[in-house]
Amino acid sequence: GQQLNQSPQSMFIQEGEDVSMNCTSSSIFNTWLWYKQDPGEGPVLLIALYKAGELTSNGRLTAQFGITRKDSFLNISASIPSDVGIYFCAGLPSGNTPLVFGKGTRLSVIA
Amino acid sequence: KAGVTQTPRYLIKTRGQQVTLSCSPISGHRSVSWYQQTPGQGLQFLFEYFSETQRNKGNFPGRFSGRQFSNSRSEMNVSTLELGDSALYLCASSLYGSGVETQYFGPGTRLLVL
Repeated sequence: GQQLNQSPQSMFIQEGEDVSMNCTSSSIFNTWLWYKQDPGEGPVLLIALYKAGELTSNGRLTAQFGITRKDSFLNISASIPSDVGIYFCAGLPSGNTPLVFGKGTRLSVIA
Repeated sequence: KAGVTQTPRYLIKTRGQQVTLSCSPISGHRSVSWYQQTPGQGLQFLFEYFSETQRNKGNFPGRFSGRQFSNSRSEMNVSTLELGDSALYLCASSLYGSGVETQYFGPGTRLLVL
């Protein structure tokens, strides 16, 4: 089946630093989504991308839909302690097909 | 508008038992998807229901089943529980489950099988 390769698996950064993570696939996706999951909770949608090349921001978060439609990245600027959590990318192949999720990037912020 | 709700939040069962989990989608949403999340496998798609019909199904054994009611609430059932079924079970809802929609997740039901 289709898979998303998300990297890095985990990151330890200092408060105030910028963070970058990405997802790649050998398949094309029509939609890319980025979620954040806090411990004991379900994933919360951060950013949705619908067009190749699209660059979208949500506060300190910026995500881009790769022009090949096979990748996406998420940047977090000036990280703060509440950014701690697991970030997931998810891709929607086409039509009424299920979301495909990456394995997640676990972010730890050191104050 | 209330979010996706799941009950119960926590559950402990023993091998061989069966379990039923419930999900109430966001009001007006007609598509409900279920996922299993484990540390090793990440988020894996179980199935999706739309208008009381199963529209998509993931690669899980027949012990995993679900249904959706006319009010869009959904249940999933796992029979003959195995230790490996211990996981966080998440449901997500969207309006129609189409390719341009986003899904909104509930907090999950954490199942522990002893």
